[in-house]
Amino acid sequence: EVQLVESGGGSVQPGGSLRLSCAASGFRFSDSWMHWVRQAPGKGLMWVSRIDRDGTATTYADSVKGRFTISRDNANNTLYLQMNSLRVEDTAVYYCTRDRLTSPFLGYLPENWFDPWGQGTLVTVSS
Amino acid sequence: EVVLTQSPATLSLSPGDRVTLSCRASQSISSDLAWYQQKPGQAPRLLIYDASNRATGIPARFSGGGSGTDFTLTISSLEAEDFGIFYCQQRSIWPPTFGAGTRVEI
Repeated sequence: EVQLVESGGGSVQPGGSLRLSCAASGFRFSDSWMHWVRQAPGKGLMWVSRIDRDGTATTYADSVKGRFTISRDNANNTLYLQMNSLRVEDTAVYYCTRDRLTSPFLGYLPENWFDPWGQGTLVTVSS
Repeated sequence: EVVLTQSPATLSLSPGDRVTLSCRASQSISSDLAWYQQKPGQAPRLLIYDASNRATGIPARFSGGGSGTDFTLTISSLEAEDFGIFYCQQRSIWPPTFGAGTRVEI
């Protein structure tokens, strides 16, 4: 069974840091582009960041660029999101999600469709 | 950034109803649109990608259509489990963006 399990959320003051983790199982993690998507309480979805299969190519939403860092450990099938200089507006449930298709082939480009998703982890930034 | 406008905001329906949700893009996105369903307290689930392809395990009562700027998600005969918020998402122009959602109440 394909599974993504996030952890690491919690409450932090503005300016603080948190590191989220996402443990993947049931598929070849090293063949998968991965994403973080967040959802503020009662609001819609916002794409946050993407990482390629070997962790060398990363992209970010403008609102988190320079503050968040996405990374991965393929040996341990884990995705990370290091969040620094947190702001009140970063308060959200953060979802780990996989690009729909996986492939080991060189030059494979992601679809940027998100499937499956983890259950999410709540980050609350408040003084 | 591509803005996706979903309508209506809320629908109250009965089992067996046929329902069509709309998603309009602020500029042409070809067929680069997906639909997700999110139930309360759950993560979103991919329903449709490439505007009209059903994701794995999605029932045939869900269908997607459209191209360019206007897209639809149709549920041919609503079942009690089909409640939730439905979001559209585009990938044509970076960054990927989502619509604000349509809430379907049974």
